[in-house]
Amino acid sequence: QLVESGGDLVQPGRSLRLTCTASGFTFDDHALHWVRQPPGKGLEWVSGVTWNGDSLGYADSVRGRFTVSRDNAKKSLYLQMSTLKTEDTALYYCARDINNSGLYGSDFWGQGTLVTVSS
Amino acid sequence: DIVLTQSPATLSLSPGDSATLSCRTSQSISTSLAWYQQKPGQAPRLLIYAASSRASFIPDRFSGSGSGTQFTLTINSLEPEDFATYYCQQRSGRLPLTFGGGTKVEIK
Repeated sequence: QLVESGGDLVQPGRSLRLTCTASGFTFDDHALHWVRQPPGKGLEWVSGVTWNGDSLGYADSVRGRFTVSRDNAKKSLYLQMSTLKTEDTALYYCARDINNSGLYGSDFWGQGTLVTVSS
Repeated sequence: DIVLTQSPATLSLSPGDSATLSCRTSQSISTSLAWYQQKPGQAPRLLIYAASSRASFIPDRFSGSGSGTQFTLTINSLEPEDFATYYCQQRSGRLPLTFGGGTKVEIK
């Protein structure tokens, strides 16, 4: 199970930290990702991290503002978001890869946490 | 960035029909492509990875093919639960791991 939390209504320019907590599988066997979906729109990959915490990079739209990390002892994935913009408004999903290679796809997803950026 | 273009944007079909969805990439990615299904109010579900391998518990009416820059998802004999939006994603290792814009399969 993957459960996201931390979504909220925030003003532009503010910061927010999302958390994804895992259970029911060997957490450090898998790469993990954040994927977002603005209301009524398609999927956008945001960032990912390997089993040991190495970043898999960021989408151009968030690079320099968002930071991904994980804590294997706590079975948690994080997304620190700063200097939020209205266009960051979306449902943010946590997703688990099939394995740690990053080459195959995400076979398990949380239900998402909603981030709304508005004044 | 690798751009993924899905076509058509919308596919209107009847239950029992076959569906053919296309995903074209702006650069060659070998077979590093995944397909997802998403229904309204639900998280995406992985259908196909490595272009043609079915994920766990995915019915065999779903099949994927292609390599390089051209990929296809085929759904044989559409069931009522197959009407949804489908996304492709490149998993070549080249960042960012982009998604296509989606194809909505709707009931005709």
